[in-house]
Amino acid sequence: AQSVTQPDIHITVSEGASLELRCNYSYGATPYLFWYVQSPGQGLQLLLKYFSGDTLVQGIKGFEAEFKRSQSSFNLRKPSVHWSDAAEYFCAVGDNFNKFYFGSGTKLNVKP
Amino acid sequence: DTAVSQTPKYLVTQMGNDKSIKCEQNLGHDTMYWYKQDSKKFLKIMFSYNNKELIINETVPNRFSPKSPDKAHLNLHINSLELGDSAVYFCASSHSGSNAEQYFGPGTRLTVT
Repeated sequence: AQSVTQPDIHITVSEGASLELRCNYSYGATPYLFWYVQSPGQGLQLLLKYFSGDTLVQGIKGFEAEFKRSQSSFNLRKPSVHWSDAAEYFCAVGDNFNKFYFGSGTKLNVKP
Repeated sequence: DTAVSQTPKYLVTQMGNDKSIKCEQNLGHDTMYWYKQDSKKFLKIMFSYNNKELIINETVPNRFSPKSPDKAHLNLHINSLELGDSAVYFCASSHSGSNAEQYFGPGTRLTVT
């Protein structure tokens, strides 16, 4: 069965430090992978997506993610975190029927 | 110029009542979804409609009934509300196609007392 695991529930980083949020998926076919961000009291905003091709994808707000098929991972990275990046981040895998499976989220805190 | 909108944003009601949440999208998408986000922030799909036709119906109590009057609208009606229905409900929309990203509304926080 399809599933997504985000092993880190909370992460705290200092402003200006680099960030990596982990995501592992389980899916039998070629996965469609997404990262979304949810600010407090808001809906989800798409950061980036991977379907095929280059395994390093660029997204909005300076985020990037790397697809590693051998590790079933799609980790999200940012070289320098800003205070405004504090939010909840969700990884998702989509199947062939537009059905999304979300991870449980990682809450990012940014220290000044 | 809101892409996916939901009303109301907050809904507080008593157990046993019936309530509806409305969703509208102006993105020209043909597929719409309802998700439930529980208190631990876990997001789970409930329903999906494509061109007004139900295509995903997860294991959801039949007290929940979606209705899509047209491609731009997907409403969620909940009968006999229970305490466990308290959650944030998100509407989303997308083009059909397996790699289509979904666009989410701002959510409706439902509190059942």
